[in-house]
Amino acid sequence: SQQGEEDPQALSIQEGENATMNCSYKTSINNLQWYRQNSGRGLVHLILIRSNEREKHSGRLRVTLDTSKKSSSLLITASRAADTASYFCATDEGQGGSEKLVFGKGTKLTVNP
Amino acid sequence: SAVISQKPSRDICQRGTSLTIQCQVDSQVTMMFWYRQQPGQSLTLIATANQGSEATYESGFVIDKFPISRPNLTFSTLTVSNMSPEDSSIYLCSVEEWGTDTQYFGPGTRLTVL
Repeated sequence: SQQGEEDPQALSIQEGENATMNCSYKTSINNLQWYRQNSGRGLVHLILIRSNEREKHSGRLRVTLDTSKKSSSLLITASRAADTASYFCATDEGQGGSEKLVFGKGTKLTVNP
Repeated sequence: SAVISQKPSRDICQRGTSLTIQCQVDSQVTMMFWYRQQPGQSLTLIATANQGSEATYESGFVIDKFPISRPNLTFSTLTVSNMSPEDSSIYLCSVEEWGTDTQYFGPGTRLTVL
C-alpha cells in the first residue's frame, strides 16, 4: 500500500533555483528516508530523519519532518542540472520494528541549464 | 554504506519463460528485501528474505510466481516465473544497514517481457 504521497508530481526549475518537494504519510513512523533515482536506475539514499528529529541537513539538502502533520519536505538549494531525477520518500511502518519501507509516488524534478 | 550488486542489469525475455535475478551484498545482513517498480510507478515491496527461513511475501505476491532463495547472509535470488508482459519492471533488492535503519538499494534489474 502507498504510505507516502509526494507533491508536486513534477517540478521544473532553472539551475540555481531551490527545489522543494513534499511528502505526506498516514500512519505513525520511526523514521522517514529520501531517495533519488536517475532515469529508472537504482535508488540513491539521500537522508534519513527519525521521528524525534525536526530538521536535518546534508550538503545542499535540507529535510524537515512534522510528525503532527505527518509530513516531510526535501529542499535542494542552488540546484544543478545533475539534480534532475525522481525523488521518493519512504517510511517504515512503525510497528514492531518492521524494517520494510513503503514508498510514495515520487516527484520528478527537472533542472534546466 | 553497504555495496550491493545485481545481475543481470537488464534482460529481454520471452513470454512464458523465467528469469532469476541475483543480489550480492558486501557485508552480512539479516534481512534482504525485493521490490518491484513498474514503468512510471513507485516501488512496491515483493517480499522479505531472511537467511534460513521462508521468505515473507506481501499481499498480491505469491511464492509460485516469485520464488526467493537466501542461502547465506550476503546473497539472495528472486525468480520471476512464467513471465508475461505485465512483469516488465525494474526489480531491486535492498538491505538495511545494521544499527542505522538506513536501507540501501542495488542498481536494479530492468526486465522487459515480450
